[in-house]
Amino acid sequence: DAGVIQSPRHEVTEMGQEVTLRCKPISGHDYLFWYRQTMMRGLELLIYFNNNVPIDDSGMPEDRFSAKMPNASFSTLKIQPSEPRDSAVYFCASRGVTANQPQHFGDGTRLSIL
Amino acid sequence: AQKVTQAQTEISVVEKEDVTLDCVYETRDTTYYLFWYKQPPSGELVFLIRRNSFDEQNEISGRYSWNFQKSTSSFNFTITASQVVDSAVYFCALSEAGTGTASKLTFGTGTRLQVTL
Repeated sequence: DAGVIQSPRHEVTEMGQEVTLRCKPISGHDYLFWYRQTMMRGLELLIYFNNNVPIDDSGMPEDRFSAKMPNASFSTLKIQPSEPRDSAVYFCASRGVTANQPQHFGDGTRLSIL
Repeated sequence: AQKVTQAQTEISVVEKEDVTLDCVYETRDTTYYLFWYKQPPSGELVFLIRRNSFDEQNEISGRYSWNFQKSTSSFNFTITASQVVDSAVYFCALSEAGTGTASKLTFGTGTRLQVTL
């Protein structure tokens, strides 16, 4: 079975540019999560979706960040405009319907904003 | 609010030593779920184990074992006869039962384990 697929694996771009991260969850999973990992703040939940609907976006740092899930097999996290402090590893994870099921993570996107 | 504490920031052991990674949690729910994840140097997050709050049986999987104690709100992870390939950051996490906002997974800050020859 394919796991969670994220693209790109690495992204290097200049400050001010738009960045789009992509995620394909595991087929049949109802929940999709976006996390950011930095040395300073550890793993932070940015937003999560249930059946393509955003449930909690309280972790989104500011209006420059937006996330969408147009269908059950695809989600994007967009940063516009990007800033150097957005440099981090961004993970996407998906999970089945109940809270006792583990979240399965993609390999992450390592984002560097110059 | 739920909270997970991994007090050990970094542990270094020599190969073949046993090592225990501590995890203490806080929750007001009576039903909750605990998880351990491994993040090797390559960076991916790998699910290791889940434990339900109503099941206090300890679990052993090869060299790995988990000790869940509700009385002390702890879910500790022991690696027996550690190997260099065990070097990674290990995260403990907690999820409360239910749906909606209760679906969040709260992570600890992680314990970096370094196993040397």
